[in-house]
Amino acid sequence: DTGVSQNPRHKITKRGQNVTFRCDPISEHNRLYWYRQTLGQGPEFLTYFQNEAQLEKSRLLSDRFSAERPKGSFSTLEIQRTEQGDSAMYLCASSSASSGARGNTIYFGEGSWLTVV
Amino acid sequence: AQSVTQLGSHVSVSEGALVLLRCNYSSSVPPYLFWYVQYPNQGLQLLLKYTTGATLVKGINGFEAEFKKSETSFHLTKPSAHMSDAAEYFCAVHTGTASKLTFGTGTRLQVTL
Repeated sequence: DTGVSQNPRHKITKRGQNVTFRCDPISEHNRLYWYRQTLGQGPEFLTYFQNEAQLEKSRLLSDRFSAERPKGSFSTLEIQRTEQGDSAMYLCASSSASSGARGNTIYFGEGSWLTVV
Repeated sequence: AQSVTQLGSHVSVSEGALVLLRCNYSSSVPPYLFWYVQYPNQGLQLLLKYTTGATLVKGINGFEAEFKKSETSFHLTKPSAHMSDAAEYFCAVHTGTASKLTFGTGTRLQVTL
């Protein structure tokens, strides 16, 4: 069990460019989550997958954001036409949970910092 | 809808003193509650969680929290603070069947000599 892995850890990009973050969850975890955290705030839910299906998206996830989990293992989060307001830490998390089960621990990665200049 | 409120964005204690970080929740269903710790430039690490059963929950690093339904609270405590406890602490509640977490705004704990 190597934990949730995210890369790159840091990304500086110019406004208008596209960026992609990758997340490798704990192996055999069927649920994968993306959160966003800005300075001084708690993480905010963006989206989650159960296996390869994207089951929920937050209103925070504008149409410039897209997430995929093609084979139910790793996931990517792409931000198109980045804006300065996208600067944040993007956290990936995973859990092993049967449908409807609550209370299962969600494990977080180290996060990917995005700075849009 | 479920939510959590953390009272006090910054708490400062002396090394060896009691740590008390406050969290109150709002939930329309029996809540599952969590405390996570975040060290600078790192992700979140689970300290402890309450699901069902015993209302006093013990976690890692000597922390514990007590679920009090009557007070809708889940305060985090540690009898004696260490310098290594300095970090940001987040209270969170499970929401919905997807088990996604709703976080509070966090409390930054400072430990002084």
